Amino acid sequence: GQNIDQPTEMTATEGAIVQINCTYQTSGFNGLFWYQQHAGEAPTFLSYNVLDGLEEKGRFSSFLSRSKGYSYLLLKELQMKDSASYLCAAMDSNYQLIWGAGTKLIIKP
Amino acid sequence: NAGVTQTPKFQVLKTGQSMTLQCAQDMNHEYMSWYRQDPGMGLRLIHYSVGAGITDQGEVPNGYNVSRSTTEDFPLRLLSAAPSQTSVYFCASSTGTRDSEKLFFGSGTQLSVL
Repeated sequence: GQNIDQPTEMTATEGAIVQINCTYQTSGFNGLFWYQQHAGEAPTFLSYNVLDGLEEKGRFSSFLSRSKGYSYLLLKELQMKDSASYLCAAMDSNYQLIWGAGTKLIIKP
Repeated sequence: NAGVTQTPKFQVLKTGQSMTLQCAQDMNHEYMSWYRQDPGMGLRLIHYSVGAGITDQGEVPNGYNVSRSTTEDFPLRLLSAAPSQTSVYFCASSTGTRDSEKLFFGSGTQLSVL
């Protein structure tokens, strides 16, 4: 079956770095997405990876290893506004998205 | 641009009632979809559409109907509400269904069925 795993909750300190991991198993693969979702709000797009390697976008970076079925989202210089849930989603061979349950990130001062 | 507009934001229904969740986008997106989000679970696709006049079922279509008469609008109808349909519903759109096409989400509808 198709499956996405990511930690349920993580805690980090303001100004620090945090890495949110995601492992996936899909029938075929057409890319890996990360979305941010603040409490009570809609998800918003953060990143897309389809090739192996690291993609950097300001304070946020996303990494993909296709051979390992693994991705991570790296957040640097954490700010209180980064407190949110981070959703990992893999696109299968039929271009359907398989979503993880999300990782709730708590930032402490 | 308004993006994806979803109404209502909150709704309480009694078991057996019907209702329609409205979704409209002004980005000329071909692809539109409805998801439900439940605690501890990933987003689950209910129905989707790849263009006006075309709809298809997602992972959890039972109890829901959709239509796509225009590019802009994609309403979701609950035929006879059940407590199991208590959830947060999101409408989303994108330019297409292929690889890098990111989704734009509406603000969500919190639905409670008593």
